[in-house]
Amino acid sequence: SQTIHQWPATLVQPVGSPLSLECTVEGTSNPNLYWYRQAAGRGLQLLFYSIGIDQISSEVPQNLSASRPQDRQFILSSKKLLLSDSGFYLCAWSGVDSNYGYTFGSGTRLTVV
Amino acid sequence: AQKVTQAQTEISVVEKEDVTLDCVYETRDTTYYLFWYKQPPSGELVFLIRRNSFDEQNEISGRYSWNFQKSTSSFNFTITASQVVDSAVYFCALSEKPYGQNFVFGPGTRLSVLP
Repeated sequence: SQTIHQWPATLVQPVGSPLSLECTVEGTSNPNLYWYRQAAGRGLQLLFYSIGIDQISSEVPQNLSASRPQDRQFILSSKKLLLSDSGFYLCAWSGVDSNYGYTFGSGTRLTVV
Repeated sequence: AQKVTQAQTEISVVEKEDVTLDCVYETRDTTYYLFWYKQPPSGELVFLIRRNSFDEQNEISGRYSWNFQKSTSSFNFTITASQVVDSAVYFCALSEKPYGQNFVFGPGTRLSVLP
């Protein structure tokens, strides 16, 4: 069966510090991978999606970047965090093995102070 | 362009009441897929249902039921005899692909079930 792992679960970082959130998928090959952000009390905003290694599409201009160094690994990064980067970050995957659309990771709650 | 509207931002009900969450969608595709996800306070999104555009049969799963009406472009979700554990944010989503590429999410409806 397929599983998705996302870490860390919570993170408190000072303004100006770097960020690295990692997401890995197991049990499937060539998944589509996604990073979403959810600001407090808000809906889901698609940040990046990837259909393959080193193939990243950005949906919104921002202070963040994404990379996919391996087929089942998706990393969300920032060189210098802003207060506005605070939020709940969700990784998700979809693909031919995903009978029910997206499968989400457990999320990372990021607080920039 | 595809769009999903969930007009109810927040709903509060008392336990054991029935509640319906509305979802209205817009798409020009003749083939599309509709989803509902639940986001409990823990944050993880949990899949509830997927329905394709060719299947208008209503579906029931325990206390949950879904009413898909192509004529009104709606895919409403009803919880019967609500329980406190149903308290969550519920998202409706639309995709033109069966496995959810290019999802369009609605803004979500926050349901609070009071004891």
